[in-house]
Amino acid sequence: GENVEQHPSTLSVQEGDSAVIKCTYSDSASNYFPWYKQELGKRPQLIIDIRSNVGEKKDQRIAVTLNKTAKHFSLHITETQPEDSAVYFCAASSPNSGYSTLTFGKGTMLLVSP
Amino acid sequence: DAGVIQSPRHEVTEMGQEVTLRCKPISGHDYLFWYRQTMMRGLELLIYFNNNVPIDDSGMPEDRFSAKMPNASFSTLKIQPSEPRDSAVYFCASSSPGRRAIYGYTFGSGTRLTVV
Repeated sequence: GENVEQHPSTLSVQEGDSAVIKCTYSDSASNYFPWYKQELGKRPQLIIDIRSNVGEKKDQRIAVTLNKTAKHFSLHITETQPEDSAVYFCAASSPNSGYSTLTFGKGTMLLVSP
Repeated sequence: DAGVIQSPRHEVTEMGQEVTLRCKPISGHDYLFWYRQTMMRGLELLIYFNNNVPIDDSGMPEDRFSAKMPNASFSTLKIQPSEPRDSAVYFCASSSPGRRAIYGYTFGSGTRLTVV
């Protein structure tokens, strides 16, 4: 089945800096890659996603890039703010591991210091 | 829409007791997922349903765990008997995939289970 690795496990940045979180996946058939943000004690919430027919997608300060050849995708947050502090999860969906199921990375705890 | 609704939000129970977690998916969503979240293992898929039918329960850790979806608006996850290692946050999520693609899940608020 699909395996998703996520790095780093923790990331500390100063307010205003950029943050990058990287994920790799194992199944070349995977075609959907969402990112979730989970604030302390709350539910994971979808913040951005990308499909395999697109190389990059941007939404204000957040962008995601996908390299299908290398089987990795990344989340980029620019001009970070303290409210960006949370755990971020990447995920991948593979038709081979069950239609519509997502395999999640272990998460990255992002801490933005004022 | 009120989103995915889970109950209870918190559950503290003694080892050996039966625990039932409940979930109401978003109306019209035909996929329902149960995940377990722990610090060590992250988010683990336990089981998922499509149109109320269990599709894959390979993630259910043991026979002590069971899940049902009697109708499109309700699902339960039961642990009997519960053990301290079952302590975790249990999330329910629902999704309505398109014909050739899927959409991100919508998660419920989760149930924090503590077995003492």
